[in-house]
Amino acid sequence: AQSVTQPDIHITVSEGASLELRCNYSYGATPYLFWYVQSPGQGLQLLLKYFSGDTLVQGIKGFEAEFKRSQSSFNLRKPSVHWSDAAEYFCAVGGYNFNKFYFGSGTKLNVKP
Amino acid sequence: NAGVMQNPRHLVRRRGQEARLRCSPMKGHSHVYWYRQLPEEGLKFMVYLQKENIIDESGMPKERFSAEFPKEGPSILRIQQVVRGDSAAYFCASSSTSGSGADTQYFGPGTRLTVL
Repeated sequence: AQSVTQPDIHITVSEGASLELRCNYSYGATPYLFWYVQSPGQGLQLLLKYFSGDTLVQGIKGFEAEFKRSQSSFNLRKPSVHWSDAAEYFCAVGGYNFNKFYFGSGTKLNVKP
Repeated sequence: NAGVMQNPRHLVRRRGQEARLRCSPMKGHSHVYWYRQLPEEGLKFMVYLQKENIIDESGMPKERFSAEFPKEGPSILRIQQVVRGDSAAYFCASSSTSGSGADTQYFGPGTRLTVL
């Protein structure tokens, strides 16, 4: 069965520091992977997606993610975090043989001044 | 191009009342998905619809919940006889092409339902 695990519930980083949010998925075929960001009380905004090709994907707001098939991972990174990045981040997996997304439980990012 | 629209943004109901949540997909999108987010949890799939058809309702509770996406107008998620456990954020998403999990889904701002 498909599933997504985000092992870190909360992460705190200092402004300007680098960030990596972990995402592991379970899916037997080629996954389609997504990262969304949710600010408090808001909807989900798509940060980036991986369908195929280059395993390093660039997204909006300076984010990138790397797909590693051998580790079933799709970790999100940013070299220098800004205070406005404080939000909750969700990883999701989709695929051709099903018509829904499976979401992880989210990682809340707090940014220290 | 307007994004996915949902209304109301906030809805308060007393136990036993009905809740109607509306979703207008992005222009040109004919696939609509509803997800529920319970407090401190991720989003869970409820139902996937195309115009006038329910394609997959495997995530929808068997009782009290229904969804439709008519030929004209928004998609509606209806919850009858609401209970406190229905309090959650309900998100609608839409996609443009085949409706498979390979399509990018664009999300609305959500409706936050509170049941008193």
